[in-house]
Amino acid sequence: EAGVVQSPRYKIIEKKQPVAFWCNPISGHNTLYWYLQNLGQGPELLIRYENEEAVDDSQLPKDRFSAERLKGVDSTLKIQPAELGDSAVYLCASSPVAGPNTGELFFGEGSRLTVL
Amino acid sequence: SQQGEEDPQALSIQEGENATMNCSYKTSINNLQWYRQNSGRGLVHLILIRSNEREKHSGRLRVTLDTSKKSSSLLITASRAADTASYFCAALLKTSYDKVIFGPGTSLSVIP
Repeated sequence: EAGVVQSPRYKIIEKKQPVAFWCNPISGHNTLYWYLQNLGQGPELLIRYENEEAVDDSQLPKDRFSAERLKGVDSTLKIQPAELGDSAVYLCASSPVAGPNTGELFFGEGSRLTVL
Repeated sequence: SQQGEEDPQALSIQEGENATMNCSYKTSINNLQWYRQNSGRGLVHLILIRSNEREKHSGRLRVTLDTSKKSSSLLITASRAADTASYFCAALLKTSYDKVIFGPGTSLSVIP
């Protein structure tokens, strides 16, 4: 069974440019998460989807970040315009169970963004 | 902001020794999980302990949970060089959002 797939793995852009990351979760996993991970730190939740609904986007900087999961399967995270401080790894995860019984999260390899 | 805190931030041990990492959290949880991350890779789930459990084992891993102290520990016995990685605790918070929050992690180096 395929795991969580993310692309691109690496992206280098100039500041003020837009960038988009794509995630395809494990088949059948209704819950999808986007996390941001700075170097040497733990992942920080940006947004969580249940099917196509964003149920927790309280940590998403909505002035420049947007996300969508139109058909409740794959998801796109966009930054426009990118700033130097956005350089980080963007991790996508999925899980088959949501709510208070949420168990293991399955992570992709991440998309490493460098903003110059 | 992160809910969890871990100590130590970094740990260096000899192969064969045991490694203990600690995690503390601030609010009530449904469960606590531990993940491992090799450099440049995604996180891999190791073990989950529910809020009504006190100890759990999986192979060379032992996890304890003390809800009165809001803390957990991960013990890796008989460490191997291949255990070198960063280890993160993640708490499933009892909130309306059922949020999974990660700690800052412990970087473990196992010297052959």
